[in-house]
Amino acid sequence: DADVTQTPRNRITKTGKRIMLECSQTKGHDRMYWYRQDPGLGLRLIYYSFDVKDINKGEISDGYSVSRQAQAKFSLSLESAIPNQTALYFCATGTGFNRNTGELFFGEGSRLTVL
Amino acid sequence: GDSVTQMEGPVTLSEEAFLTINCTYTATGYPSLFWYVQYPGEGLQLLLKATKADDKGSNKGFEATYRKETTSFHLEKGSVQVSDSAVYFCALKAPGGGNKLTFGTGTQLKVEL
Repeated sequence: DADVTQTPRNRITKTGKRIMLECSQTKGHDRMYWYRQDPGLGLRLIYYSFDVKDINKGEISDGYSVSRQAQAKFSLSLESAIPNQTALYFCATGTGFNRNTGELFFGEGSRLTVL
Repeated sequence: GDSVTQMEGPVTLSEEAFLTINCTYTATGYPSLFWYVQYPGEGLQLLLKATKADDKGSNKGFEATYRKETTSFHLEKGSVQVSDSAVYFCALKAPGGGNKLTFGTGTQLKVEL
């Protein structure tokens, strides 16, 4: 089983619908991240959380919200999806014990299409 | 702010050819530098890293040297294989930035027989 699991892996939805992407991890890491990948733009940080009580906005947080339900779970919500949120979304984890290494561990991605 | 610039792809090479993917960065202080690789249908995984100037990161035959004077971290491999076909991302972590990474746009590598 994967250490970082994202669900769903693929989702097609319509404009205006609420969507939740879920991420769970078995690595025991305290830090979790949501990134968005678009062709030609690389990965951009949406939100990140250093522990259950800590939520921070990344560079492109508008239109998104997150919830850190437990140390192992971090979900991303689109309250009212729009077509330009069509992208590949990645959850990642990291540990504060290796804060100087910056290594992140990624899930396999959730491909979201908004029609 | 911090930024990473990579050469545009796709880069197409024949098997056993020499690979260079250029990466330059802009950051304050002394960032840590990384190369991540994304194989088709998978998430990113760390390929190699360097945390201070003149460090050389290496893994799976790939190498990159942290050059402070040219703010570069170019990825090289002496002989690529078809299995190296993937998208390669250069990234930096600012000092004290936790695990927050700034990524480049990625360079797709295609290796043909």
